[in-house]
Amino acid sequence: DVKVTQSSRYLVKRTGEKVFLECVQDMDHENMFWYRQDPGLGLRLIYFSYDVKMKEKGDIPEGYSVSREKKERFSLILESASTNQTSMYLCATRGWVDTEAFFGQGTRLTVV
Amino acid sequence: ELKVEQNPLFLSMQEGKNYTIYCNYSTTSDRLYWYRQDPGKSLESLFVLLSNGAVKQEGRLMASLDTKARLSTLHITAAVHDLSATYFCAVDTGAASKLTFGTGTRLQVTL
Repeated sequence: DVKVTQSSRYLVKRTGEKVFLECVQDMDHENMFWYRQDPGLGLRLIYFSYDVKMKEKGDIPEGYSVSREKKERFSLILESASTNQTSMYLCATRGWVDTEAFFGQGTRLTVV
Repeated sequence: ELKVEQNPLFLSMQEGKNYTIYCNYSTTSDRLYWYRQDPGKSLESLFVLLSNGAVKQEGRLMASLDTKARLSTLHITAAVHDLSATYFCAVDTGAASKLTFGTGTRLQVTL
């Protein structure tokens, strides 16, 4: 079974803090993704990576950055957290086309 | 920009009834995925549809894909309470393996 593990289920951070969300997968998948989920908006893609050290902006990259130093690990960084970044963050991994994506358990981030 | 729209956004239905959730998308694709999300949980893959006319069934759920109409449907037969969840469709345009998700349909099955 594919296992995608996010480092925290719940996080509370203060405005202006630097926040790291970590995601680790054990299936040797090339592609990894960070999505944000908000009520009524579905899942929106923040960043994705198709190889180590490679990254591409998704639909809503502003205020975020990412890091992929090893194939199994993909980190999402909020450089200076703001209250409008309060959300559920979902990491996903995927092999190549024609396969489904597998999701981590999600991190619910609250910025106060 | 690819847009994926689902309707309805919220569906309350009685046990035993049938209903269909619709997923429309705005660009050419023949790969579509359905996911289920239980409250407070992550997304779980339900169906993978990889060609025009593809139909997949699992229990009381059946998904189909019409690539010409850019439409996928998720049909629920004789709903039971355990099907209460949020259902998402996602479209793959083949660009860098990323999936674009719909807004989700929250299904509530009542007794």
